[in-house]
Amino acid sequence: DSGVTQTPKHLITATGQRVTLRCSPRSGDLSVYWYQQSLDQGLQFLIQYYNGEERAKGNILERFSAQQFPDLHSELNLSSLELGDSALYFCASSPFGTSGETYNEQFFGPGTRLTVL
Amino acid sequence: GDSVTQMEGPVTLSEEAFLTINCTYTATGYPSLFWYVQYPGEGLQLLLKATKADDKGSNKGFEATYRKETTSFHLEKGSVQVSDSAVYFCALSDRTGNQFYFGTGTSLTVIP
Repeated sequence: DSGVTQTPKHLITATGQRVTLRCSPRSGDLSVYWYQQSLDQGLQFLIQYYNGEERAKGNILERFSAQQFPDLHSELNLSSLELGDSALYFCASSPFGTSGETYNEQFFGPGTRLTVL
Repeated sequence: GDSVTQMEGPVTLSEEAFLTINCTYTATGYPSLFWYVQYPGEGLQLLLKATKADDKGSNKGFEATYRKETTSFHLEKGSVQVSDSAVYFCALSDRTGNQFYFGTGTSLTVIP
């Protein structure tokens, strides 16, 4: 158990809909990362938040957005869903910056499997 | 920019065979290097790490050495087991913590 929790575990929805995925980082970790894993594209970095602020952006579509709240949990919002958005969405957290570490080890949650019908 | 190039899979080995999964990287500065493993139906787990040149990371019989001269971090195991069947990801992190790059993953299947 990595200490990172994600809800829900599975989500089935229809095209055009909007969903919210939730992530709670490990206790004390300030950084949260979101990834999309699909069969044809591997693991794609979407976005990073550090202590409530957006820190880095990857291949995130404009239809997707994220935020990190004061209690450090994060939400990934996916809207106008398309069939191709079906994937596993992982959240990871990192202690970087909290303990003087100079490297950025990430701890992954179990993922949310999104199916768009 | 920084990147990680990982050996294409899938790889199929017999139990007790020797495993090598190649990983090379491109980075400015002095990145940290990682191997993650993803078992079927699960999230990624950190397998081992190395934070500076010549460091050797090891865990569960797996090893990888951070080679700056060849910009490589190859994963090795002397004798694989069926339970090692999984997808293995090489990754690097820059010192700022702002960027984290994963390789495409290598699927390993070990047959009895």
